[in-house]
Amino acid sequence: DTAVSQTPKYLVTQMGNDKSIKCEQNLGHDTMYWYKQDSKKFLKIMFSYNNKELIINETVPNRFSPKSPDKAHLNLHINSLELGDSAVYFCASSERTDLYGYTFGSGTRLTVV
Amino acid sequence: GESVGLHLPTLSVQEGDNSIINCAYSNSASDYFIWYKQESGKGPQFIIDIRSNMDKRQGQRVTVLLNKTVKHLSLQIAATQPGDSAVYFCAEKSEAAGNKLTFGGGTRVLVKP
Repeated sequence: DTAVSQTPKYLVTQMGNDKSIKCEQNLGHDTMYWYKQDSKKFLKIMFSYNNKELIINETVPNRFSPKSPDKAHLNLHINSLELGDSAVYFCASSERTDLYGYTFGSGTRLTVV
Repeated sequence: GESVGLHLPTLSVQEGDNSIINCAYSNSASDYFIWYKQESGKGPQFIIDIRSNMDKRQGQRVTVLLNKTVKHLSLQIAATQPGDSAVYFCAEKSEAAGNKLTFGGGTRVLVKP
């Protein structure tokens, strides 16, 4: 059983398209996150949700919109994709907001051409 | 061997030797630190954590050392094994920074048989 699962694993799309990445965790955790990892492996937080409520919203273009239909799911929708959006996007979860031993998914490699 | 984990340097270590991975952090108010391991094609995986009121913590084959005076964190891996080959990240958290987990730049460890 995969604790934090993301789909798709790979996503290749053209500039200007709109795409979504889905994330689900079966750990019963309250808090979920989206991180972006660039080509130099630098990891940066984008968003976090606690029990469907937005907690952290970093300086991310508003083309990125997270949605949490329930505490087990946190999806990421990206509008008008740009070349610079190419990266690996990781979903993660933690039991609560004050616990930092996150469980990460295996990532979605987004390539914008 | 030693390395500074800010610009994804590479640490090559012979199997069976000890590894030391270093991390310099910038926020003197950081009160919690974590080391993560990221294997190729996978998400980061929690290894060990330490609070700022401690200077050393040991796990299974790993030891984290914290020197708050010089804002330096290190991860020591004893008897390095091929399965330890990965990118290692330190991460810090501070209440002043909104309790977000901020990752360092990562260090790649290559274990030579």
